[in-house]
Amino acid sequence: EVPLVQSGAEVRKPGESLTISCQGSGYNFPNYWITWVRQMPGKGLEWMGRIDPFDSYTDYNSSFQGHVTMSADKSVSTAYLQWSSLKAADTAIYYCARVIRLGWGWYFDLWGRGTLVTVSS
Amino acid sequence: EIVLTQSPGTLSLSPGERATLSCRASQSVNNIYLAWYQQKPDQAPRVLIYGASNRATGIPDRFSGSGSGTDFTLTISRLEPEDFAVYYCQQFGHSPWTFGQGTKVEIK
Repeated sequence: EVPLVQSGAEVRKPGESLTISCQGSGYNFPNYWITWVRQMPGKGLEWMGRIDPFDSYTDYNSSFQGHVTMSADKSVSTAYLQWSSLKAADTAIYYCARVIRLGWGWYFDLWGRGTLVTVSS
Repeated sequence: EIVLTQSPGTLSLSPGERATLSCRASQSVNNIYLAWYQQKPDQAPRVLIYGASNRATGIPDRFSGSGSGTDFTLTISRLEPEDFAVYYCQQFGHSPWTFGQGTKVEIK
């Protein structure tokens, strides 16, 4: 299957806003949750939260709640991750992934290639 | 929050050897909600195992998962050159979903 297509690398200054995107294709986008995962330089994976594109219901990791906003537009099969005021500590690769929920197992099957966000003055 | 602790942090092995990776949860996790991923440098992770023991599509049978409750294991029966990577366990049983800190399997 075609991986999720993420928007390109971004460079911003602290305090600036940013929205990155993640587009699905080849499947019924509203039928699958989309999740976001952060990977800081040289570090492990951190789950940020997920969104149900069908009704835009979100579930955030409390570590990220209030600092990022997840949204989705099912008419264009795209999920978004938004910051209103970036910090240097937001420098990371951000992955989106599709969530599979089966009676015998849940997992992230399709992944985007990641969006590198660099925040520096 | 459920904390997943992976051990060892780094595993130094030769091709052809067996790799055993551990993932211990701070609370019991239903098997349905435990997955393993492989990540190679400059690549997105890919799922290997879901539901603790089910191989994902296209994953070779040298990869196997086992365990229940708080203790889970990923076994690579005979390491191939392409298996040297970082491996993460993940749980979906309780929000926030969490990942282990990763085990790096490196060439000895």
